[in-house]
Amino acid sequence: EAGVAQSPRYKIIEKRQSVAFWCNPISGHATLYWYQQILGQGPKLLIQFQNNGVVDDSQLPKDRFSAERLKGVDSTLKIQPAKLEDSAVYLCASSSRLAMDEQFFGPGTRLTVL
Amino acid sequence: GQNIDQPTEMTATEGAIVQINCTYQTSGFNGLFWYQQHAGEAPTFLSYNVLDGLEEKGRFSSFLSRSKGYSYLLLKELQMKDSASYLCAVRGYSTLTFGKGTMLLVSP
Repeated sequence: EAGVAQSPRYKIIEKRQSVAFWCNPISGHATLYWYQQILGQGPKLLIQFQNNGVVDDSQLPKDRFSAERLKGVDSTLKIQPAKLEDSAVYLCASSSRLAMDEQFFGPGTRLTVL
Repeated sequence: GQNIDQPTEMTATEGAIVQINCTYQTSGFNGLFWYQQHAGEAPTFLSYNVLDGLEEKGRFSSFLSRSKGYSYLLLKELQMKDSASYLCAVRGYSTLTFGKGTMLLVSP
């Protein structure tokens, strides 16, 4: 079974530029999550999708971050414009059922904002 | 909201036993997870507790007391490859909240 795929693995941009991350969850997983993990901290949930609907985006900085999950499969997370404090690893995860199952994480995208 | 506390760092010797504690305060509780995260890698699932008691899985065991808001992860027969960050995570109504993680260093 293929795992969660993410791209790119690394990205370096200057502040005020925009960036987009892509995630392909495990086949058949209805729930998809985007997390931000700052060095030395645990992952922080940014947004959670159930199929193509948003379940929770309470911690998503909506003035600069956006995410979509078209057709309930792949997802993209965008930052525009980026700030220095956005430097972090962005993790995508998926699970087969909302609230009940373990989450499987992708390798993450390491973003550096200069 | 959720508040999760776990020690920042722990050290132990190869072959020994180590216990990593986690305390939490939560509005709504639907289970507690432990994840392992090696440096530069994604978290991987270790264990899940939703009822009080001990869950054993090979060298790893996890304990939960819901009334005390307390869990621990027990690692036996430590190996060098167990050096990693161990994340305690609590599921509320639908989302998972992670602690900051405990960095475990296993020395020869």
